[in-house]
Amino acid sequence: QQPVQSPQAVILREGEDAVINCSSSKALYSVHWYRQKHGEAPVFLMILLKGGEQKGHEKISASFNEKKQQSSLYLTASQLSYSGTYFCGTIAGGSNYKLTFGKGTLLTVNP
Amino acid sequence: KAGVTQTPRYLIKTRGQQVTLSCSPISGHRSVSWYQQTPGQGLQFLFEYFSETQRNKGNFPGRFSGRQFSNSRSEMNVSTLELGDSALYLCASSVNGDTQYFGPGTRLTVL
Repeated sequence: QQPVQSPQAVILREGEDAVINCSSSKALYSVHWYRQKHGEAPVFLMILLKGGEQKGHEKISASFNEKKQQSSLYLTASQLSYSGTYFCGTIAGGSNYKLTFGKGTLLTVNP
Repeated sequence: KAGVTQTPRYLIKTRGQQVTLSCSPISGHRSVSWYQQTPGQGLQFLFEYFSETQRNKGNFPGRFSGRQFSNSRSEMNVSTLELGDSALYLCASSVNGDTQYFGPGTRLTVL
């Protein structure tokens, strides 16, 4: 079953923060975050394994709440280059590594 | 390392025809997954091959099929094309179905 992402779209000004959420009805083994710019392929951002760890690089980080089967992606002090569609992908326990993506969140960062 | 490559990049076909898309994974990656991307539907999982065996399958009709060769290269075939098959077809490779790296995609237009 497809994970649910929220919000569907968000518009920011440069320097503002954003949070994108991803939730699943299944017990998850891992959560994957990707960003896709218009006309390009999705690019891997980070993976979170069950255990509630938080990961990040530069000003983009993510958390995974194993009990709630939810993950959040945090973008702080957004830059114009952050614009794009963010997808979360989930691998459920026992799914034999089947990665299922949400419908995506369109993030637009304006000057 | 070279990235994931897909050929052709663009295709125009007419209804009823058949099409074959090709994907060459990153060297050393044994898993290849295929996705269909259309506006509003996000990334829809088609199937995944690992070591020449189909390991996972999405909810697509039997007109969609694939295979993987001993060198991990993969092909996807769609028979009896329909207008609704127009989409961007992405393949992604990974070591074992975990972190996936996407190719640039093949844009298929069915007239």
